[in-house]
Amino acid sequence: GESVGLHLPTLSVQEGDNSIINCAYSNSASDYFIWYKQESGKGPQFIIDIRSNMDKRQGQRVTVLLNKTVKHLSLQIAATQPGDSAVYFCAENMAQSSYKLIFGSGTRLLVRP
Amino acid sequence: DTAVSQTPKYLVTQMGNDKSIKCEQNLGHDTMYWYKQDSKKFLKIMFSYNNKELIINETVPNRFSPKSPDKAHLNLHINSLELGDSAVYFCASSQKYKLHEQYFGPGTRLTVT
Repeated sequence: GESVGLHLPTLSVQEGDNSIINCAYSNSASDYFIWYKQESGKGPQFIIDIRSNMDKRQGQRVTVLLNKTVKHLSLQIAATQPGDSAVYFCAENMAQSSYKLIFGSGTRLLVRP
Repeated sequence: DTAVSQTPKYLVTQMGNDKSIKCEQNLGHDTMYWYKQDSKKFLKIMFSYNNKELIINETVPNRFSPKSPDKAHLNLHINSLELGDSAVYFCASSQKYKLHEQYFGPGTRLTVT
């Protein structure tokens, strides 16, 4: 069942606090960087994307930051809620191979009540 | 409901058998995908189809044969199942001009014994 997911890096936060999930990517040619959320027993769900020519993009309670110098991507979740508990994946999409998403290894977010 | 649906949700079978997983999307998307998620939650693209045409075959063994009868369906047939095929298989779809924003089905957990 879900116990195999415990091998994932885990971030544990208190409800109401802000969460920051980090991701290192490898390909400088990526055109889009994307965050997906996967709740237990469900498929990944698109959260937010950022194009490679941007360094910050905000959504509802989420902010994605892109640092191309160090090839780093982060997802900030404001006022984390129990419903935010899930595995979060970063993904890359290259213009030259746009029909393919390359996913990172995932981070499990646990929200403590 | 507008969504990506897959059947069956669970599939338990013996080595050597042949099985199929069906996928349908009613989002009007032109592009559909199959992904494999292993026991460590690593998510990897297998196939991409655009308008019923195979675009990407990510070095998947030829025991796996996708079939797209129309733009709304992408089925996956697996011959001679092996233990290593045990995983969760996700179907996804996207619009042609937003390939990185993919909508995933609920997954099919395949267990080969």
